[in-house]
Amino acid sequence: RKEVEQDPGPFNVPEGATVAFNCTYSNSASQSFFWYRQDCRKEPKLLMSVYSSGNEDGRFTAQLNRASQYISLLIRDSKLSDSATYLCVVNTGDTGFQKLVFGTGTRLLVSP
Amino acid sequence: DGGITQSPKYLFRKEGQNVTLSCEQNLNHDAMYWYRQDPGQGLRLIYYSQIVNDFQKGDIAEGYSVSREKKESFPLTVTSAQKNPTAFYLCASSIDRSYGYTFGSGTRLTVV
Repeated sequence: RKEVEQDPGPFNVPEGATVAFNCTYSNSASQSFFWYRQDCRKEPKLLMSVYSSGNEDGRFTAQLNRASQYISLLIRDSKLSDSATYLCVVNTGDTGFQKLVFGTGTRLLVSP
Repeated sequence: DGGITQSPKYLFRKEGQNVTLSCEQNLNHDAMYWYRQDPGQGLRLIYYSQIVNDFQKGDIAEGYSVSREKKESFPLTVTSAQKNPTAFYLCASSIDRSYGYTFGSGTRLTVV
């Protein structure tokens, strides 16, 4: 089983739609969780951290379910500029040094 | 502005050659990382360093070497022992396990 698993997509949605991505992780000791955005042929950029209580940043909402080892990202009112690959990222939870494990990403295509 | 600089952006290597990818950061981060990304795949950890003069192998260290003589610099050498070096190489740094990584813009290495 992969440490971090995501549906690769692509998710094709029209502008204004709401879309949700899911991610599961295998290490129950994981401590930190993130969503990154990666544009084609560019480096990943931090979109948002994911907190246990859930958190929101504008049109983006992240949720964490530790019991199910499940993370989600909800994008409301999709924009053309949201088209990208979204990476689910998990701290492996090893003691001491932080090491992040990246999912393979979910591709989002927003069309006019 | 603080950030991570990777150079060169594109690099071409002949069979049997060693090449060195540069990574410099002025974020005052202790930890630095090298990842490799292949098309349609997630990021895979090559090497990481928690502190100057110390580094650890990641998941795919064979055929690669690193040094960490200065806090700001973490160069990666792709040796001739790396059989499939064509990939997108990403350098990252972090200050704390809670904050995620900051990435450089990457180097695309192609074997010709």
